[in-house]
Amino acid sequence: QKEVEQDPGPLSVPEGAIVSLNCTYSNSAFQYFMWYRQYSRKGPELLMYTYSSGNKEDGRFTAQVDKSSKYISLFIRDSQPSDSATYLCATGGETSGSRLTFGEGTQLTVNP
Amino acid sequence: GAVVSQHPSWVICKSGTSVKIECRSLDFQATTMFWYRQFPKQSLMLMATSNEGSKATYEQGVEKDKFLINHASLTLSTLTVTSAHPEDSSFYICSARVRVGYTFGSGTRLTVV
Repeated sequence: QKEVEQDPGPLSVPEGAIVSLNCTYSNSAFQYFMWYRQYSRKGPELLMYTYSSGNKEDGRFTAQVDKSSKYISLFIRDSQPSDSATYLCATGGETSGSRLTFGEGTQLTVNP
Repeated sequence: GAVVSQHPSWVICKSGTSVKIECRSLDFQATTMFWYRQFPKQSLMLMATSNEGSKATYEQGVEKDKFLINHASLTLSTLTVTSAHPEDSSFYICSARVRVGYTFGSGTRLTVV
């Protein structure tokens, strides 16, 4: 079983739609949770970082963490064609030596 | 914000030659650098973790003699792919931990012909 499971998609939505991306993890020692966006042939860029259960909002993006069910989500409101990219969830903890564990990534296409 | 500059962004080399990839932390000191490999439509696979002034720690299955990592200073880490073969063709990315999360280089696309 993978430590982090993410639906690889691909996911295709119309412009303006609300997008929901999800991951589950198995290691209860994971302490911090991140979402990265990766455009083709580029390095990942950090979108959201959180270390507690609950919601964190930044503009059109909301990250949600539920540690009790080991479930993390990213919501994108009013999606734009420029949001078309691969989204990677990542998690880690001090007991893992600061190394990150990534989900498989979800490829998102927002159609104008 | 904290930036890791990675070079080159792409490189083509002949089979049997060696290629060096550099990652520099521009406005912070990176005591630890993580090196990843990514195949098309796949996630990042951690290859090794390098700490400044000490030997790198390699993940299981990664050949340490093929992928030489040097982290001689707090601002520079290098990955050298030695005696490259076509199966080493991939996207290589470095990453460092920063105050909030981790920052990644822009990646190096290596093609071995």
